[in-house]
Amino acid sequence: GAVVSQHPSWVICKSGTSVKIECRSLDFQATTMFWYRQFPKQSLMLMATSNEGSKATYEQGVEKDKFLINHASLTLSTLTVTSAHPEDSSFYICSARRDRGTGVWDSNQPQHFGDGTRLSIL
Amino acid sequence: GQNIDQPTEMTATEGAIVQINCTYQTSGFNGLFWYQQHAGEAPTFLSYNVLDGLEEKGRFSSFLSRSKGYSYLLLKELQMKDSASYLCAVTTDKLIFGTGTRLQVFP
Repeated sequence: GAVVSQHPSWVICKSGTSVKIECRSLDFQATTMFWYRQFPKQSLMLMATSNEGSKATYEQGVEKDKFLINHASLTLSTLTVTSAHPEDSSFYICSARRDRGTGVWDSNQPQHFGDGTRLSIL
Repeated sequence: GQNIDQPTEMTATEGAIVQINCTYQTSGFNGLFWYQQHAGEAPTFLSYNVLDGLEEKGRFSSFLSRSKGYSYLLLKELQMKDSASYLCAVTTDKLIFGTGTRLQVFP
């Protein structure tokens, strides 16, 4: 089956550090990937839609200069949390859906999630 | 705006049946997913409804009424391992998650 790999799974770093999280689709192409953030005991909140070869689309209230997204290939999207502060501590999860073959993701297919990255900023 | 609502918490007994409801008001609708998420883990896919009616898959069933903006997930023969959060998610041009329901199964 389809697999999405997310790395690293766990990060602890000092305030002011920038942290990069990678999301890879291992056996399928994904023109579109999604980045979510989840705080304890809350649901997943969509942060942005990552589009291969073009700029990401950010949800309202998400700072694009704070959360840099790069989707350089059909199998890799990265999220960089720049100058992270304690309030950025959260569980970050990426997801991807197999392309339909026309470079367009199929909304009728389930998204496959990475294992998530637990980010702790001291 | 997008509103997808679920009960926050539910409890049930091992072997019982539980129904988790989800109501939604979204700009657009392509389908509705149910995911299970254990604490500290990523969500895993349970079911998908695009047409009205009931979809059965083993112990889990999911129902959709598009006219009412309503879905439910039915879990039968509950097991302790079913204790988890259950997330309803609506797909438009993206996947938007509901508030999630934490289910605790007691022996």
